[in-house]
Amino acid sequence: GDSVTQMEGPVTLSEEAFLTINCTYTATGYPSLFWYVQYPGEGLQLLLKATKADDKGSNKGFEATYRKETTSFHLEKGSVQVSDSAVYFCALSGVLGYSTLTFGKGTMLLVSP
Amino acid sequence: DGGITQSPKYLFRKEGQNVTLSCEQNLNHDAMYWYRQDPGQGLRLIYYSQIVNDFQKGDIAEGYSVSREKKESFPLTVTSAQKNPTAFYLCASSRAAGGNEWQFFGPGTRLTVL
Repeated sequence: GDSVTQMEGPVTLSEEAFLTINCTYTATGYPSLFWYVQYPGEGLQLLLKATKADDKGSNKGFEATYRKETTSFHLEKGSVQVSDSAVYFCALSGVLGYSTLTFGKGTMLLVSP
Repeated sequence: DGGITQSPKYLFRKEGQNVTLSCEQNLNHDAMYWYRQDPGQGLRLIYYSQIVNDFQKGDIAEGYSVSREKKESFPLTVTSAQKNPTAFYLCASSRAAGGNEWQFFGPGTRLTVL
């Protein structure tokens, strides 16, 4: 079945550091890929998405490129802020008829001033 | 503003009692979902519904039940058969049930069974 693997956290960075959160997936066919963010005590918010190979999703300074050859969708940001502290979830949605989201376990990011 | 409402935000129940969690959306979305979130476990799908009066079991449906009598509402009942019900429950919706559709999440309900 489909699966998503994310790097374990917490990831701790100083403000203005470069961020990478790794995400790899296993799926049949060509899934759509998503990054969601969850702030403490809240629901999930869509951060960005990509629907086909080599697509780059971007939002709020975050970027991720759909790499079919490496089955990866790593999240990056050039300069993190304290307000980026949250849990980040990588997810995929399959294409075989109706499908639901398969989530990774989440990676906590802690940014200090 | 369009969105998803989950109520209450915090819920406490005694062991052995059934409890119903509310989820309402005004986004005119066809599909709705319930997830359970435990620390370090990510999100796991409980039930989902593509259209009114139809729903499907997800990966961890045992001990839960749902109904979809109206397009905008998808309540989840946690029954006494659920062995470990304490968790954070998230409701979501999407415009349709296709693979490219992203899901919009509510703020969640934290259920604690005493």
